[in-house]
Amino acid sequence: KQEVTQIPAALSVPEGENLVLNCSFTDSAIYNLQWFRQDPGKGLTSLLLIQSSQREQTSGRLNASLDKSSGRSTLYIAASQPGDSATYLCAVRPNSGYALNFGKGTSLLVTP
Amino acid sequence: GAVVSQHPSWVICKSGTSVKIECRSLDFQATTMFWYRQFPKQSLMLMATSNEGSKATYEQGVEKDKFLINHASLTLSTLTVTSAHPEDSSFYICSASSWNTGNQPQHFGDGTRLSIL
Repeated sequence: KQEVTQIPAALSVPEGENLVLNCSFTDSAIYNLQWFRQDPGKGLTSLLLIQSSQREQTSGRLNASLDKSSGRSTLYIAASQPGDSATYLCAVRPNSGYALNFGKGTSLLVTP
Repeated sequence: GAVVSQHPSWVICKSGTSVKIECRSLDFQATTMFWYRQFPKQSLMLMATSNEGSKATYEQGVEKDKFLINHASLTLSTLTVTSAHPEDSSFYICSASSWNTGNQPQHFGDGTRLSIL
């Protein structure tokens, strides 16, 4: 069974810092990996999707990398802002099926 | 981009009531929809996979008679929590996918917060 782990569980940084969120998964037979943002009491917003054949994806201040063989992904946030405060979820889709396996998330607080 | 609408966003009701949650894909045909549940400070856990026109596939430990899923059209799936009890209070969220969007992000609704008194 696929296990997805996110470290750290919570993170607090001052505004302007660059930061890295980590995601690891136990089964490397994945179709893709997706990073989401979830605000309190809200649904999920897709941030970046990396196909299994890709190494990284970038969108604005966000960069996600994927090392499938080692079962790891990182989400890099540059020049963090208070508006980045949210829970960030990592999810992997297996080669068979569409359902996603989620990590427990990293709760990020960016202080002014 | 693809939009998934979920309704209602918040429900408070008495124990024993049945509650229906709707999940609609607004601008694409969703051959598959997924229902997840999220308890406080926990991650999303898949409850069931719903394919249009066929019976839903439930994850281990999820009672199919308690959580009724109907996916009668390519744009609508419903989850009915029958005879809800306080332990069913949770955040329920759906997502939708099309066979033609295998390389695209899975799209999520905004979720439904269910509180059973």
